[in-house]
Amino acid sequence: ETAVFQTPNYHVTQVGNEVSFNCKQTLGHDTMYWYKQDSKKLLKIMFSYNNKQLIVNETVPRRFSPQSSDKAHLNLRIKSVEPEDSAVYLCASSLGQFSNERLFFGHGTKLSVL
Amino acid sequence: GMPVEQNPPALSLYEGADSGLRCNFSTTMKSVQWFQQNHRGRLITLFYLAQGTKENGRLKSTFNSKERYSTLHIKDAQLEDSGTYFCAVHNYAQGLTFGLGTRVSVFP
Repeated sequence: ETAVFQTPNYHVTQVGNEVSFNCKQTLGHDTMYWYKQDSKKLLKIMFSYNNKQLIVNETVPRRFSPQSSDKAHLNLRIKSVEPEDSAVYLCASSLGQFSNERLFFGHGTKLSVL
Repeated sequence: GMPVEQNPPALSLYEGADSGLRCNFSTTMKSVQWFQQNHRGRLITLFYLAQGTKENGRLKSTFNSKERYSTLHIKDAQLEDSGTYFCAVHNYAQGLTFGLGTRVSVFP
């Protein structure tokens, strides 16, 4: 079943443009995440967020920022894309505040930067 | 080195075969999750373990925190089992840390 929804599925853009990806979860979870999967299939966390705390992976460039209107939504904005941003971006959610819980992932958004 | 090491990097199986995947950790971990990523890129949760063994159909997973490893066993492999299998461990502040995955190919 799919309970974490991401849009768009694919996005192609040019260097320097701004992009925004949407994520919504219908599980009633308190915590949401963004992960990046590179061309070598390595998955790395970018952000984890609930209504109390944002945790940022210190390796994430500042042009990336999460945006949340409520606990069911966590969007990802990239202010000025770079070629190395080409990747699959995966959104996830978990029930509680801490990471020691089962995660549920969306289908991913594939970004291609020309 | 990587905090999570997966072996083998790739695995080829014929339908009906049994095989195992292994995940080794550099330090003691609190829990582990196993995922299958299909050809569409979707990450499907297979197991979440804080200890012991779980089974689900033809899949079985064990987690030994003390010995720092987890295994995933595929029994009677089917074509739909093809994909990349990831193990991931939880650390307190940084969410899941993933291994590099095992690419499984099942042939008729």
